[in-house]
Amino acid sequence: AQKITQTQPGMFVQEKEAVTLDCTYDTSDPSYGLFWYKQPSSGEMIFLIYQGSYDQQNATEGRYSLNFQKARKSANLVISASQLGDSAMYFCAMREGGHTPLVFGKGTRLSVIA
Amino acid sequence: DAGITQSPRYKITETGRQVTLMCHQTWSHSYMFWYRQDLGHGLRLIYYSAAADITDKGEVPDGYVVSRSKTENFPLTLESATRSQTSVYFCASSESAGALRGSEAFFGQGTRLTVV
Repeated sequence: AQKITQTQPGMFVQEKEAVTLDCTYDTSDPSYGLFWYKQPSSGEMIFLIYQGSYDQQNATEGRYSLNFQKARKSANLVISASQLGDSAMYFCAMREGGHTPLVFGKGTRLSVIA
Repeated sequence: DAGITQSPRYKITETGRQVTLMCHQTWSHSYMFWYRQDLGHGLRLIYYSAAADITDKGEVPDGYVVSRSKTENFPLTLESATRSQTSVYFCASSESAGALRGSEAFFGQGTRLTVV
């Protein structure tokens, strides 16, 4: 069963605007972590931000923030003040407790327009 | 250099041949993973390992074999390559288990494999 769902195959955003990339997840484990990765056209996978299921506050890392709504099982990535260099594929991922692997969604391609 | 490295970066092989993709990490991370990336599928887990000599199947393990005799190495072998195994393969490692802070995975540069 799909554990991570990213419903937006592609998104466009104007430079300097904020954008939200959607991610919903499915788990019955009370302990889990949520992650976002960026994959630019060069192909490398870059870790952006982490949110733990027990964290009370939404995670922030510079221009990235994670809008964590536990009851809705959503973990949306918000990028503020978009830059041309933000154009990339973005992947949401989850890891449950114990000796479990990281499971990815299918990704959202973000294009930032000047 | 420190980090996680994959070799080769590019490989073309023929159907039916055995091919091994190498992955080496210098952090002594316990966990290592192999993913394949295909258009429209995101990253799908092939195999993962929690420690030396411990491996588990992921979502798409058929046709692949892994081993982990040393913590730092996690080779992936395609026993008899098929065209459907044409893909970009990523190796990754992480320090911590499960959902803990610090359990994010760090990725190698990827190997682009073409089976003709």
